[in-house]
Order: sequence, then C-alpha cells, then structure tokens
Amino acid sequence: HVQLQESGPGLVKPSGTLSLTCAVSAGSISTDNWWTWVRQPPGKGLEWIGEIYHSGITNYNPSLKSRVTISVDKSKSQFSLKLNSVTAADTAIYYCARSLLGTTAFDCWGLGTLVSVSS
Amino acid sequence: DIVMTQSPDSLAVSLGERATINCKSSQSVLYSSNNKNYLAWYQQKPGQPPKLLIYWASTRESGVPDRFSGSGSGTDFTLTISSLQPEDVAVYHCQQYYATPRTFGQGTKVEIK
Repeated sequence: HVQLQESGPGLVKPSGTLSLTCAVSAGSISTDNWWTWVRQPPGKGLEWIGEIYHSGITNYNPSLKSRVTISVDKSKSQFSLKLNSVTAADTAIYYCARSLLGTTAFDCWGLGTLVSVSS
Repeated sequence: DIVMTQSPDSLAVSLGERATINCKSSQSVLYSSNNKNYLAWYQQKPGQPPKLLIYWASTRESGVPDRFSGSGSGTDFTLTISSLQPEDVAVYHCQQYYATPRTFGQGTKVEIK
C-alpha cells in the first residue's frame, strides 16, 4: 500500500505562507489517482482544499482558490501545498491523501501535520 | 457547493446493538450515466486520519468488517453498524465526490452507551 507523509513548518506567522510537502512512497505518483490536500481545524470537520493529477491538472476549493497552489514533482515523488496570506482561521491539521482509483474518495491518508498560525 | 448534512451529531449505542447514521446531500449525487452514487463514508478515531469504509454509497473497502454497510441513493444515505463493537467508537464522516469542491458532512460521534 502506498504511504504518504506530510512535512513542513508547524508554525506560520499571520500573513505568511504555509508550505507543506507530501512524500509518496511504496508506490508511484504517476498513476491514475488524484492527489489531495484536506484540512481539519482542531475539534472540527474536514475541509477539502484541492487536488492534483500527475500531469499537473488541478482543482481547488473556490473558498481558498485565490490563496492556494498545489504542485507535483514526479522526480521526487511528492506533491506540495502552498497557502498564502494565512490567518488564525487556517490553523488546522493538514492531511495529504490519495484518491481511490476511478473515484475521488480517499483510500490512503498521511498521518497529518498540525500547522498553527500565530505570531 | 453541495452541502452534506449528517444526523445525528452524536449517538450512544449499547455494545452489540445497531448504530445508524444518516447523511443528506443538498443535491443528488447520483450520476445517471453510470447509475452510481458518488458518496463515501469514513471512520476517524482520535489522533488518526480518516479511514475509508464505503464508496459508491454501498461498496465496502477491502478489509472493512461486514458489520459496516452503506445504503441510499440520490440525496439520502445511511451508514449502518449492525452490531457495535468497542473499536467502532469514532467519528464518522460522509463525503460527496460528485462535484468539486468535494464536501464532507460535519461528522457524527458514536459512543458506547
């Protein structure tokens, strides 16, 4: 089973840029899956941020679209999230996930990383 | 956006009894060309990422115990745990993947009575 692992700073200053990377191991990133970012504020529900295909095609949540960029680096078998102009409302556990083939339900998840926005 | 609404927000069920969680979408997630409902269910335990239980509204993911079942079509869906076990204590989320943005229900917390 493919494994996903998020990495990046756990603390970002307000108005700064949140940058996370998801490393894909035990499998290829160049498959017919979508690679996704989902976040969860502490004690709250899940919010889909966006997704990318290995070709670079992306879909973003309109509520975040003006601030989000998702990219893929096939040579490093990883994909990344950048969220700019962050505020305290962006404090959350950020998960990367893989879609189940033929769907955009998510069958494989990273453990998640908590990113706090604070000065 | 397609809004997903789960009910109840929480429920307490005795061990061995049935637990039923409902999920309603603000518009149909049934794709007429393939007659599939673009609806998934997840289980999330404290400190863990969500785990996929059900997709296509009623297809159990590999390795998921058969006490978990999904049903429904169009806008109304149900996740049933036929005989609650201690390890089933968790928050359960529904998710539609019919359209972007993919959206989740608010979650239903299942506890032991």
